[in-house]
Parts: sequence; structure tokens; C-alpha cells
Amino acid sequence: FMLTQPHSVSESPGKTITISCTRNSGNIASNYVQWYQQRPGSSPTNMIFEDNQRPSGVPDRFSGSIDSSSNSAFLTISGLRTEDEADYYCQSYDGNKHWVFGGGTKLTVL
Amino acid sequence: VQLVESGGGLVKSGGSLRLSCVASGFVFSDSDMNWVRQAPGKGLEWVSSISGSSRYIVYADSIKGRFFISRDNAQRSVYLQMDSLTIEDTAVYYCAKKTSDYFTLEDWGRGTLVTVSS
Repeated sequence: FMLTQPHSVSESPGKTITISCTRNSGNIASNYVQWYQQRPGSSPTNMIFEDNQRPSGVPDRFSGSIDSSSNSAFLTISGLRTEDEADYYCQSYDGNKHWVFGGGTKLTVL
Repeated sequence: VQLVESGGGLVKSGGSLRLSCVASGFVFSDSDMNWVRQAPGKGLEWVSSISGSSRYIVYADSIKGRFFISRDNAQRSVYLQMDSLTIEDTAVYYCAKKTSDYFTLEDWGRGTLVTVSS
């Protein structure tokens, strides 16, 4: 299966943004979705695991969810800060333990 | 936790390269390890996974039969042997540690750049 993300999104500081990740086949709820942040020139960092869990150290401004009706996962960032400007990737896996990444979304905080 | 990749460089199409990743700061033999790559200006692409005991190995279809993952727990190292390289294999290759309980990559190295020329 594939995970499709918008190529880019933008919003102003202090606002809230939601990034989608749509699974093209199979149920989004079948396998957990993770989210990673990659700042320019840096390695990815896990921000959300198991659809909506935050690793220790990740601010509660970051939250994850899934919606079966749209077969999508969502990353919501509230109280946007300039430091949130980065690429965000969703990730899941299939029954053969193949990891699948979305194409990534570039977040611009204006 | 620290993951340090090495072995990247410039290689001609059709050539081979072996990447290494040395780990520290956790019980290496208990941890599944992965390679993930990122072509210049592109997104993340999972390449391969290996379980702590090396019993379970999985490859992405895009590299199956050309790349081979292995590990040496005594050396706290994981390797990626890359054969029959093509220009499309040009990327930064990251070594990443899977969490014990979840399908999540919780720690990543800084990556090593592989450039394949024609």
C-alpha cells in the first residue's frame, strides 16, 4: 500500500495545522501509524507512535489521530512555532513487516 | 543512544559498497535495526530490517536481490552490502533502531552519503 501526504502546508505562528496521511488500500486502523519530523540538515525524529502516542520529550502541542471514514491519519500541531518548520513523514507497515513511509509534507511557518 | 554510519562514498554504476553502523548506549543484541535512505531532495524510503538475532530479515522490493543486511552483535554493528548499484541508489543512508514494542524508529544515525555515478 501507499501513504499519501500533501506536498506542503503553511500557517502562521500560534495557529493550528493538521497534516493528513491517506492510505490507498487496506484499513488505516489495521497497522499503527507513526510520524517523524525532519528539520533541514538533520536526521528524522519520532514525534508520534501508535497513531496518537507521544514519546517522552515531545511537546503536547503535537497530537496524532486516525479516521477510518477517510482512511487517513492526521498530525495536528497547535500553537505553531517557527521551530516547527520542517518536513513531516507518516509511516506504517504491512503484514510482511515492510515499513512504508509517506512522501513527506513540508511545513512552513510564515 | 548513538548510531554512527560509515562506508559511504562515490562509486560507479554497477559497483558495490558496504555500509557500517556502530551502535552504543543500548542493548544492541535485543534491538531490531533498520536501514532507511533518502535520495537528494526526496523523502524517506525504508530499505531493510534485521532482528536482534538475525533470524528475521526483510527487504524493500526496490533493492531485493542487490542489497544484503547483516549484523555482528559482538561488534555492536549492522551492515548493508550494496551490489549492482544504480544511479537511483544515490542517497543518504540512515541506520535506525526500532523500539522494542512498537513499529517505530526511535533513534537514527546522522547518515552516510552514497553517490553512484554513470
